[in-house]
Parts: sequence; structure tokens; C-alpha cells
Amino acid sequence: GAVVSQHPSWVICKSGTSVKIECRSLDFQATTMFWYRQFPKQSLMLMATSNEGSKATYEQGVEKDKFLINHASLTLSTLTVTSAHPEDSSFYICSARLGQGYQPQHFGDGTRLSIL
Amino acid sequence: AQSVTQLGSHVSVSEGALVLLRCNYSSSVPPYLFWYVQYPNQGLQLLLKYTTGATLVKGINGFEAEFKKSETSFHLTKPSAHMSDAAEYFCAVSDRRDSSYKLIFGSGTRLLVRP
Repeated sequence: GAVVSQHPSWVICKSGTSVKIECRSLDFQATTMFWYRQFPKQSLMLMATSNEGSKATYEQGVEKDKFLINHASLTLSTLTVTSAHPEDSSFYICSARLGQGYQPQHFGDGTRLSIL
Repeated sequence: AQSVTQLGSHVSVSEGALVLLRCNYSSSVPPYLFWYVQYPNQGLQLLLKYTTGATLVKGINGFEAEFKKSETSFHLTKPSAHMSDAAEYFCAVSDRRDSSYKLIFGSGTRLLVRP
């Protein structure tokens, strides 16, 4: 149980393109989803917390207009990297948690984004 | 603010040897504690967690961790390493007082297993 699917797993695109990444909880309802960014050989940095039906809460230093997050349902959150540039190249990982009590986060397999 | 320290960015052990990966947290109130494993180009998989109750926690793949409040530690161990254990391991904490349930990750420890 507690499977999180992330799509696509790998994206290569030209500079200036907008890229959408999907995060789905397949077998549970996720009231909260999280988006992380991971640079090579580094730890995960939280970008934003997404609650179903409300605006995402962004961490300090993360551009809201650059990284658009939508959490329209209890099983789907999307991250759109708008007008992507080479410095946006990174590994993006989402996670989801059940809403009742304290439950751990379950992670997707990540999306490798490469901007040329 | 919460922080997590993982001593040793790389740990190398022989196959069959004891694995010990260290994690210390900084908080006056013990947080929720987690260990995750990450294989190359993949997301994170939960190994085990401590929220309350018994301080020795058993997880998947033969791993276990012990919460020691007096030492503010949550070290991860496995009695006998397998080649398949080679991966990146992250310790993470979540502040019990924070209803956002955000995770703060340590810097990670890469486990190398020698044949």
C-alpha cells in the first residue's frame, strides 16, 4: 500500500519551455503532498507543501511564479516549472501523506528534469 | 529550528559486517524520526520510523534503529550487510509541534558494501 506515482520520470526540453510534473497517490487519499528538489549528491530540499483545495505553501526562497503547484484532488498534485532555464535542471521528487494522525510521507520515484 | 546531522557522508563496510549509520537531531522536544533509503535515480523508500512507544524500532530489510533521548540520536543499524544495501540513506525529522508535518532531512550517508 501507500504507492505514489510520479510522471514523467525523465524530461529533456529546450530553455523557455514549461514543464508539468504529476504526482498521484494510487491507493490512498493524500490531503497533503510535498514537492522537493534534489541536486546531485545532495539532500532533499522542500520546495512547497500542497494541501488539497487550497494554495500551496512555499518555502523561503522558492519562486511561486516559477514553480506553480496545483492540488485539485485528493490523489493528484502537479508541479509546473514555467519558462524553464538550465539552472532549473534538477531531480524533483514528490511525496504524499495520509491525513489522519501522524503518518509518514510516501515518495514518488522522482522526475529528472534537464533543460538544454 | 530543527536540524539533523548525519555523521559521515560515506560509510564503507564489507559484506556481512555490521552497518551503523549515525543520526543526531537538535531539538528540546524529541521529534518524529525517520530513516529513508534512496537508490540511484529513484525516490525515497521508508525504512522505519519512530513516533512513540518502544524506542527500538524494527524496519524493512533487516534494519533497525534506536531512539535515545539522552543522546538525541536515532542511529540506524543492520547486523549483516548485503550488497543490495548499497544506497544513500537519509535520516529525517518532523517537529511534533508543527501541524504541517514537514520533514527536515539530513545530508545523507552513502553506504558502500565491499564484496
